Amino acid sequence: DAGVTQSPTHLIKTRGQQVTLRCSPKSGHDTVSWYQQALGQGPQFIFQYYEEEERQRGNFPDRFSGHQFPNYSSELNVNALLLGDSALYLCASSSGLAGSEQYFGPGTRLTVT
Amino acid sequence: AQSVAQPEDQVNVAEGNPLTVKCTYSVSGNPYLFWYVQYPNRGLQFLLKYITGDNLVKGSYGFEAEFNKSQTSFHLKKPSALVSDSALYFCAVRDQAGTALIFGKGTTLSVSS
Repeated sequence: DAGVTQSPTHLIKTRGQQVTLRCSPKSGHDTVSWYQQALGQGPQFIFQYYEEEERQRGNFPDRFSGHQFPNYSSELNVNALLLGDSALYLCASSSGLAGSEQYFGPGTRLTVT
Repeated sequence: AQSVAQPEDQVNVAEGNPLTVKCTYSVSGNPYLFWYVQYPNRGLQFLLKYITGDNLVKGSYGFEAEFNKSQTSFHLKKPSALVSDSALYFCAVRDQAGTALIFGKGTTLSVSS
C-alpha cells in the first residue's frame, strides 16, 4: 500500500517564475492538505482540498493556488515566485473523518534563486 | 486563536534513560492533539494522537503521551531512549474548523550512546 507520494523531489526556480507541485494521497484517503515548512520552522498550513473544493485556507497570498482531481490527487501552484517561497512543501492526506490523523509525503524542496 | 508551544529547542538524553519532550497548547473547545517525528530531509511521520478518552496515549516505536487538561499540556514520553530516536519532534493541535494542523516549532531530540 503506497503512502503519500509527491513530485518532484527537488526544484530550482528563478524569481518571478511559476511552479506546480504534485501529490498523490494514501490509498483510501479523500482529503489533501498542503503545508509550507521553512528552514528551522514547523509546517504552516496553506490549504486543504476535499471533494475537489478548497475547504479551508491558511494565511497565504493568492499567489498560492491549488486543485484536486477526481482521483483525489492534488496540485499546488505558486505564481510570481519570491525568494521567501524557498521551503519544503509537504502534502498530507487523511480520510476526512473527525479526529483522523494526517499522513505526510516526503515533501518537495523548492529553491528560488 | 489556536497555538502550540514547544519550550525546548533541544533535548539531550543518554541511551536507556527516559525522555520527555514538552508541549503546551491553546485552543477553544476540546483539543485534538498529535505528535509527529521528522528525520533529516524527510516528511513527517505520525506517532500518536489524543482525541478523547484515556489521558495516556500509546503510539508507535514505544512512545506515549500524557494529556493534561488543567495544564493544557501534551508531553511526549518514552521509558528508555534509543540512539535511533534522535530526530526532530513536532507537537500539533487541530484547529476549530477541524482541518488544519497548527504545529509547534519543533524540538530536536539527541540521544547519545
